[in-house]
Amino acid sequence: DTGVSQNPRHKITKRGQNVTFRCDPISEHNRLYWYRQTLGQGPEFLTYFQNEAQLEKSRLLSDRFSAERPKGSFSTLEIQRTEQGDSAMYLCASSSRGGLVRGYTFGSGTRLTVV
Amino acid sequence: GQQLNQSPQSMFIQEGEDVSMNCTSSSIFNTWLWYKQDPGEGPVLLIALYKAGELTSNGRLTAQFGITRKDSFLNISASIPSDVGIYFCAGPPGQTGANNLFFGTGTRLTVIP
Repeated sequence: DTGVSQNPRHKITKRGQNVTFRCDPISEHNRLYWYRQTLGQGPEFLTYFQNEAQLEKSRLLSDRFSAERPKGSFSTLEIQRTEQGDSAMYLCASSSRGGLVRGYTFGSGTRLTVV
Repeated sequence: GQQLNQSPQSMFIQEGEDVSMNCTSSSIFNTWLWYKQDPGEGPVLLIALYKAGELTSNGRLTAQFGITRKDSFLNISASIPSDVGIYFCAGPPGQTGANNLFFGTGTRLTVIP
């Protein structure tokens, strides 16, 4: 297994456009997480899936954000009507049961720049 | 809200020197995790701590779970250029049922060859 894979690595978009990112977790991991990291900060939690069910969303996940994991494997994160404040690194992570105490495996992230 | 403050914010050291950094919380943590992030990459787990007072090593890295459960420490001995990066502490928030990790503000390490 090659770890957590995220695509694209970089995305530049104009304000107001929609963007979608994809995350392929480690195949045997049933838990998937999305985080956002702005410059100079640690990652901040956005949302969590267990299999295909989205079980937790942070208040950072505004109405313009939606995440799916339709078959309990890969996940997508869509941002509608992007704003300059959405510019950040979007990190996906996966874990098996016990990930909170054993740690997640993160992908390399998608860096979004909104111009 | 929960805060994890890391100190120092940044460090510039000579290759071969030892490094110490810490992480303090406004509330109790039951697990402490230390991650390292290289530029343009996601964080990678270095060490996990599960019990107050616990001391755990991973090669040249040693981390300790503070006895108050509100702090943790990471030491790197004999630093090398590839130790460059940002080091984050993290842990699950105190409330039961939470399914996410809370990350600190990070310590940026620069090693001068």
